[in-house]
Parts: sequence; C-alpha cells; structure tokens
Amino acid sequence: DARVTQTPRHKVTEMGQEVTMRCQPILGHNTVFWYRQTMMQGLELLAYFRNRAPLDDSGMPKDRFSAEMPDATLATLKIQPSEPRDSAVYFCASALRPDTEAFFGQGTRLTVV
Amino acid sequence: GQQVMQIPQYQHVQEGEDFTTYCNSSTTLSNIQWYKQRPGGHPVFLIQLVKSGEVKKQKRLTFQFGEAKKNSSLHITATQTTDVGTYFCAGPWTGNQFYFGTGTSLTVIP
Repeated sequence: DARVTQTPRHKVTEMGQEVTMRCQPILGHNTVFWYRQTMMQGLELLAYFRNRAPLDDSGMPKDRFSAEMPDATLATLKIQPSEPRDSAVYFCASALRPDTEAFFGQGTRLTVV
Repeated sequence: GQQVMQIPQYQHVQEGEDFTTYCNSSTTLSNIQWYKQRPGGHPVFLIQLVKSGEVKKQKRLTFQFGEAKKNSSLHITATQTTDVGTYFCAGPWTGNQFYFGTGTSLTVIP
C-alpha cells in the first residue's frame, strides 16, 4: 500500500533549536510539496520540488527555513532557529506530476516552546 | 501566500440535510481539485475537474466546475456523520503548483 511517510509524527522543541522533518514520497512520484497548516493561515504551500529540483519556495521564510531533496526517496524541511510561531502541522505530499492527485503524509505536529 | 476563499467557512447541518461549499477564483483555472480532511487527519484527494461546466458525482457528492473555470462547488446530499471534516478546493492559482483554499468545516449533528 503506497503512502507518503513523515517523521517524526510529533516534535516538541525549545525556541532556538534546530528542527528537521523528513518525508519519504511515494516511489515513482517526481513531485513533492511541503505544506504548513495552522488555524489562522490554513494550508500554506511552503515549497515545491519536481525531479528533486526546488521550483518554488516563495512561501517559505528563507532566513530560517530550508527544504532539500538529497535523493528521490527523501525530502527534508529544516527550521533553524525555531520560534514559537513555527508551531503548526507540517505536511509533505507527493504526486506523479504537479497537476495530478497529491498524496499526503500524516504530518508532523511541531510545538516550539 | 496564495489562498482562495471558500464559503462558508463553517457549516453545521442536521444529519440528513444537504451541504454545499463554494470555491471562487479571480483567475481562470486549468483544473481544480477537492480534498477532505477529517479532524486530526491529513487531506485526502476526492476528485479533479478539468473541463468547463464539468459535473462529476461520487455517491452523495456532486462536484461542479464553472463554465468560466473560475469557480467550483461541492454538494453533499443527505449528509451523514461520516461526512464530518474540512473540505478544501485546490488549484494552480499561479504556476503549476496547487494552492489550497481556506476550507469549509462541516459539522453534522446526529
């Protein structure tokens, strides 16, 4: 049963610490998205990769966030340093192409205290 | 970031009543997708609409894409408690990547 896997599922960290979230997209999907969900802002697109190349990360605060795809089976989202306002659920999703059905992981619930 | 307003933001219905959510874009879309997110869960794809005026049905759910391809709706007939969740439209408002609408949270009262 193909699915997107995200780790960790939950993370509590202190302000100023580095946070790394990982995502394993579905095998064969060449499109990966990172979304952030909060009550206030809804589902925000943070970054978008196609064939491992970052095509759009305009939704991401560049000073502290970075997204990479070291290989086709791993996408990472890092926050350094983390701040309380980064508390949210972070979703990774993958798709065959940008305009096709996106499959979401279960998300990482991040709490920065 | 890019967001599209969905209306209503919240809807409470009695079980058995119908429900409709609307998604409106200021730009013409090549296609639009709909997702459902259960409380505590992740978004799950429901359907994609591509053609102008397209109507698709999935059991009690009816999806429409406007003639001008600027708006879309999701209608649920005779809601059930299993329909509870937030319904999002998603579209390529800019570029190819999909941005999500603000969502409509549906509560079904048994």
